[in-house]
Amino acid sequence: AQKITQTQPGMFVQEKEAVTLDCTYDTSDQSYGLFWYKQPSSGEMIFLIYQGSYDEQNATEGRYSLNFQKARKSANLVISASQLGDSAMYFCAMRENRRLANRDDKIIFGKGTRLHILP
Amino acid sequence: NAGVTQTPKFRILKIGQSMTLQCTQDMNHNYMYWYRQDPGMGLKLIYYSVGAGITDKGEVPNGYNVSRSTTEDFPLRLELAAPSQTSVYFCASSYDERGGGRGYTFGSGTRLTVV
Repeated sequence: AQKITQTQPGMFVQEKEAVTLDCTYDTSDQSYGLFWYKQPSSGEMIFLIYQGSYDEQNATEGRYSLNFQKARKSANLVISASQLGDSAMYFCAMRENRRLANRDDKIIFGKGTRLHILP
Repeated sequence: NAGVTQTPKFRILKIGQSMTLQCTQDMNHNYMYWYRQDPGMGLKLIYYSVGAGITDKGEVPNGYNVSRSTTEDFPLRLELAAPSQTSVYFCASSYDERGGGRGYTFGSGTRLTVV
């Protein structure tokens, strides 16, 4: 079963507009973490933002914010005032906490959303 | 502070050849990971390690081997290269199992083509 679902394979957004990238996740754990990574055309993976399952406030990092809706198991990334440099692949990821064995702890990635910012 | 360093950046292998993808980190991270990213897809975990001397299989371990003799190094070995192993390989590390709230630190990737 897919644990991280990103339903938007590609998106086109006009520069300076806000954009929301969807992410839903599946876990039975109470404690987990959610991440967003950016992968530009150069290929590197860039950490953007993190949300812990017990965090009461939505995470924000500059122009990035994470719209965390725990009951819906949704962790959408919102980019305000988009810029041409935001054009990239964006990955949602989840880390589940395995209480019994830390060795099982790892991050699982979604398939990504390719974002194109139009001038 | 170099972070996570991967070598080589690019490599072309013939079917049946072997090679080792190198990964080293200088952040004293205990946890290290190897992922592969196929074209247009997300990352899939190959192997991971929670410390020197300890390794475990991830989602797609077949055709690969790893070792972790030191905290710094986590090489990935391909013994008999197959076209299905054509991919971009990422090494990553983290301080603890929670990634310190910042996920993992990734290397710049190795683009491998098997022909």
